[in-house]
Amino acid sequence: EVQLVQSGAEVKKPGESLKISCKGSGYSFTSYWIGWVRQMPGKGLEWMGIIYPGDSDTRYSPSFQGQVTISADKSISTAYLQWSSLKASDTAMYYCARRGGGPPHTLDYWGQGTLVTVSS
Amino acid sequence: DIQMTQSPSSLSASVGDRVTITCRASQSISSYLNWYQQKPGKAPKLLIYAASSLQSGVPSRFSGSGSGTDFTLTISSLQPEDFATYYCQQSYSTLGTFGQGTKLEIK
Repeated sequence: EVQLVQSGAEVKKPGESLKISCKGSGYSFTSYWIGWVRQMPGKGLEWMGIIYPGDSDTRYSPSFQGQVTISADKSISTAYLQWSSLKASDTAMYYCARRGGGPPHTLDYWGQGTLVTVSS
Repeated sequence: DIQMTQSPSSLSASVGDRVTITCRASQSISSYLNWYQQKPGKAPKLLIYAASSLQSGVPSRFSGSGSGTDFTLTISSLQPEDFATYYCQQSYSTLGTFGQGTKLEIK
């Protein structure tokens, strides 16, 4: 069974760093892109970026380029999303999702989400 | 970047109604268009892929159509469990952008 399991909720202060994780199981982790999606409170889904764990090819949406870093450790089938200096505006739910094969390349499996709260 | 524009942003309807949500791409995306349903506190769930193919396990009252730049999601007869937010998403490019969402509420 394919699963993406994300790390738990985080409460941080502005300026702090953070790295959240997404562990894949039940499939060949290196053969599928993993994307990260932000959902701010009461708002829609925003595509942040995507990584191919097989070769670490990483793409960022323009709005998130330079704001976050996406990485993966294929030895432990885990993708990461990290911030070097959090802002209050980073408060959101963050989802990882697998970009399925194909076409049609749907987001066929999702993690349960990691809630990040940034507050002084 | 490919921009996706959904309409309406919100919709009130009653159980049994037929509803249609539209999604427009800023450039042709062939049939690389997917629809997701999201309920509060849950991750999105895939409903329709490749514009018109029903994901396994999704009720047949859901259907999708379109190609190129214009797409629609139709729910033929609303059920209580269908009140949720719906998103279109293009998978033409690796960075698959979402529409802004349509919140379907009970009238």
